[in-house]
Amino acid sequence: DQQVKQNSPSLSVQEGRISILNCDYTNSMFDYFLWYKKYPAEGPTFLISISSIKDKNEDGRFTVFLNKSAKHLSLHIVPSQPGDSAVYFCAARGGGSQGNLIFGKGTKLSVKP
Amino acid sequence: EPEVTQTPSHQVTQMGQEVILRCVPISNHLYFYWYRQILGQKVEFLVSFYNNEISEKSEIFDDQFSVERPDGSNFTLKIRSTKLEDSAMYFCASRRDRGPLEEKLFFGSGTQLSVL
Repeated sequence: DQQVKQNSPSLSVQEGRISILNCDYTNSMFDYFLWYKKYPAEGPTFLISISSIKDKNEDGRFTVFLNKSAKHLSLHIVPSQPGDSAVYFCAARGGGSQGNLIFGKGTKLSVKP
Repeated sequence: EPEVTQTPSHQVTQMGQEVILRCVPISNHLYFYWYRQILGQKVEFLVSFYNNEISEKSEIFDDQFSVERPDGSNFTLKIRSTKLEDSAMYFCASRRDRGPLEEKLFFGSGTQLSVL
């Protein structure tokens, strides 16, 4: 039962270009979405989030777009940098829960110089 | 910046043994969580803890698992009789509040548990 799906296990992008990471979800009760970045041997670190009442949130090079009708969100990184190479997890907060997050399987982003 | 601290970073144990994974959440945080990630799989929710009691738990969190906040700073996960399939990276996380500006969890760097 995959409520949060990241269908691309990996993505390779040239430095300076845009990286687009996608995430789909099935539960319409999710009310908050987050992106986490994870380097090897480290815990996930928060990157950016969006409430379900919005369709876009921007923070520097990172922008998250939410399409509620399609139950789809995406993370755009522009311009991509080699230091962005990591595994990116999409996560959703279940409505009414105590804040536990449901994670996707992650997408490994490689940014090549 | 304050961080969630987990010890040990690696734990090797024999099947059937008890293990305790330790976490020190960020000091003014009120909500505490354990997640785990089996190699190659997604990060999975185990349990959430608030006001000295479990507030939510997943199907994974069966009778072999328990959590405790023995003092004002530590948050522990105990596995009473480990199984091979318990081998995973275990992440502790904490959050200050459940208000609209405090939705993000802060994660520790994890404890890699290997059950032999």
